[in-house]
Amino acid sequence: AQKITQTQPGMFVQEKEAVTLDCTYDTSDQSYGLFWYKQPSSGEMIFLIYQGSYDEQNATEGRYSLNFQKARKSANLVISASQLGDSAMYFCAMREGQGGSNYKLTFGKGTLLTVNP
Amino acid sequence: ETGVTQTPRHLVMGMTNKKSLKCEQHLGHNAMYWYKQSAKKPLELMFVYSLEERVENNSVPSRFSPECPNSSHLFLHLHTLQPEDSALYLCASSHGPQGSYEQYFGPGTRLTVT
Repeated sequence: AQKITQTQPGMFVQEKEAVTLDCTYDTSDQSYGLFWYKQPSSGEMIFLIYQGSYDEQNATEGRYSLNFQKARKSANLVISASQLGDSAMYFCAMREGQGGSNYKLTFGKGTLLTVNP
Repeated sequence: ETGVTQTPRHLVMGMTNKKSLKCEQHLGHNAMYWYKQSAKKPLELMFVYSLEERVENNSVPSRFSPECPNSSHLFLHLHTLQPEDSALYLCASSHGPQGSYEQYFGPGTRLTVT
């Protein structure tokens, strides 16, 4: 079974509107972390936002917020006021467990977001 | 230079060539990673180094050989590659292999094996 599922291969949004990118995850660990990365066509993966499994509040970073629903095992990324520069691939990733082996990030297949003018 | 840099950005090599990819991080991190990104597949972790010691070798074929001479530099030595090894190779670094530390990525090397 996939550990990270991103069901939207592609999404379109009008400039200045908000968009939600879906991510569901599968883990039996109590302690885990969820990350979102942006990958423009240049190739570099850019860290956007992090949510720990014990964090009670949803993470926010500027125009990015993470809608964390633990019971549903979902960690959707919300981008408000979309900009043309937001057009890119977006990856959800998860780090599981504690201790010496919790450096591994498992990535989803990504969602290609296109912002239309 | 800031962040994580990778050279070369593009590489075309034949199956009998030997080449190396270089990664350098300017963030004071002590963990470094190699990832492979193939078309239509999720990112795959290849190697992890923590304080210059390899802590993970994710069942990678021996034609890929990593080297970490210090905490700022990471190499991936390539020899007798196959066409299916064509991919984007991404280097990343973080404060440590443990914890909630985010990984910072370089721009990648686009490798084509002919």
